[in-house]
Amino acid sequence: AQTVTQSQPEMSVQEAETVTLSCTYDTSESNYYLFWYKQPPSRQMILVIRQEAYKQQNATENRFSVNFQKAAKSFSLKISDSQLGDTAMYFCAFMTENNNNDMRFGAGTRLTVKP
Amino acid sequence: GAVVSQHPSRVICKSGTSVKIECRSLDFQATTMFWYRQFPKQSLMLMATSNEGSKATYEQGVEKDKFLINHASLTLSTLTVTSAHPEDSSFYICSAGIDYHTEAFFGQGTRLTVV
Repeated sequence: AQTVTQSQPEMSVQEAETVTLSCTYDTSESNYYLFWYKQPPSRQMILVIRQEAYKQQNATENRFSVNFQKAAKSFSLKISDSQLGDTAMYFCAFMTENNNNDMRFGAGTRLTVKP
Repeated sequence: GAVVSQHPSRVICKSGTSVKIECRSLDFQATTMFWYRQFPKQSLMLMATSNEGSKATYEQGVEKDKFLINHASLTLSTLTVTSAHPEDSSFYICSAGIDYHTEAFFGQGTRLTVV
């Protein structure tokens, strides 16, 4: 079974600063997909960034980037130039290659961006 | 991007009654949809996988007679909470993917309150 662990229940960062959210996972699969989702107070799940395990290059999306360490089974999210609108719950998620979009989520990290 | 619409967004029902939640893929066909439950300040827990034209697959510990899932068409899955009790109060979210290996698209969620 796959497990996803987020060891930081809460984090805070000053506006315009950089913050890194941690995620580790456990799997015996060789091909899989990793995601970071943002859940603002509206509760709508919003995809932040996606990484295919077979790609060595770390994914980036504007201010968001990941540090994917496959051997260590680590998938951290870096948010640069933090904005007030980044305040939300962030969930790390895992999906195996043949799992038909069935995702498993970590416990989440509540991020607060302070003005 | 693909849109998944969930309805209603909020519902209050009396203990002992049943309530139906709809999940629609608006611009794509989804042979599989997923239902999650989220308690306050917690992660998304997969309840069941909804399969078009066949029976849903329930996660361990989820009562299939309590949470009835019907996936009658390629764009609609419904979750019916039968004989609801206050402990069923929660936030329910559905998701669907266009095909394998892509992100899952989430509905807006339904906040169920049983009084």
